[in-house]
Amino acid sequence: SDELTQPPSVSVSPGQAARISCSGDSLSKQYTSWYQQKPGQAPLLVIYKDNERPSGIPERFSASTSGTKVTLTITGVQAEDEADYYCQSTDSSGTYVIFGGGSKLTVL
Amino acid sequence: DVELVESGGGVVQPGGSLRLSCAASGFNFDDYTMYWVRQPPGKGLEWVSLITWDGNTIDYADFVKGRVTISRDNSKNSLSLQMSGLRIEDSATFYCAKGGSYGSGYHMAVWGRGTTVTVSS
Repeated sequence: SDELTQPPSVSVSPGQAARISCSGDSLSKQYTSWYQQKPGQAPLLVIYKDNERPSGIPERFSASTSGTKVTLTITGVQAEDEADYYCQSTDSSGTYVIFGGGSKLTVL
Repeated sequence: DVELVESGGGVVQPGGSLRLSCAASGFNFDDYTMYWVRQPPGKGLEWVSLITWDGNTIDYADFVKGRVTISRDNSKNSLSLQMSGLRIEDSATFYCAKGGSYGSGYHMAVWGRGTTVTVSS
C-alpha cells in the first residue's frame, strides 16, 4: 500500500547523530522530501528530491535511500533541532501526495 | 521574499461551507504547482489537494474528494479551496504551500502560516 511509516519518536544527545527512518513501497520509485515542524510553527522543508537541501538549511541535514526505506540524518544534533519531522512522497503512480505520520525528535 | 498568506478560516457547523484563500507574493506564481495541506489539532500533516501551474492537473485526497474544489487565479496570484459538507473531522489548520521547481517532484518548498477551520455544532 502507499503509506509511509515513521517511528513516533527518536531521542539523541546533543552532538550525536539522529537518524529518522521512513518506509514505504513508493519510495523506491518516487522522490522523498522531509519537513521540520516546531511547536506553533508551519512546517519547513529541509530535504527535497531525496537528498537536496534548500538554501539556508544547514549541511548537517542529509538523507539517504535504500530500497523502500529513506533515512534522514542530522549530524551533530543541536537543541534547536528538536522538532517533529515528516517524510513526504507520492504514491507509486506519482499522482497523490502522501505524508508519513511524523517523528518527534527529542534532544536529551 | 516568498510569502503565502491564508485567510477564510473560522467556525462552521457540520454540513456547512467555507472558502479558503491564499495570497501569494515574492515569486512568479504562475510557474508553480500549489498545494493545500491540513493538520488536525495535535496530529500530523495531511495532503488535501494540488493544482499545477496551468490548472490542468488537479488532485484531491480521498477524504475530501467530492467535497472540495481547488482553484487558482494566476492574474491575482491567488489560490483558493472551496469546501462544503464539512465534517467535525475536517477541523484543522489548513496550510497553503508553494511547490518546487520543475522536475523536482511534488513537494512543498514554502508554507504559509495557516488558517484554522473548526467544525462544531
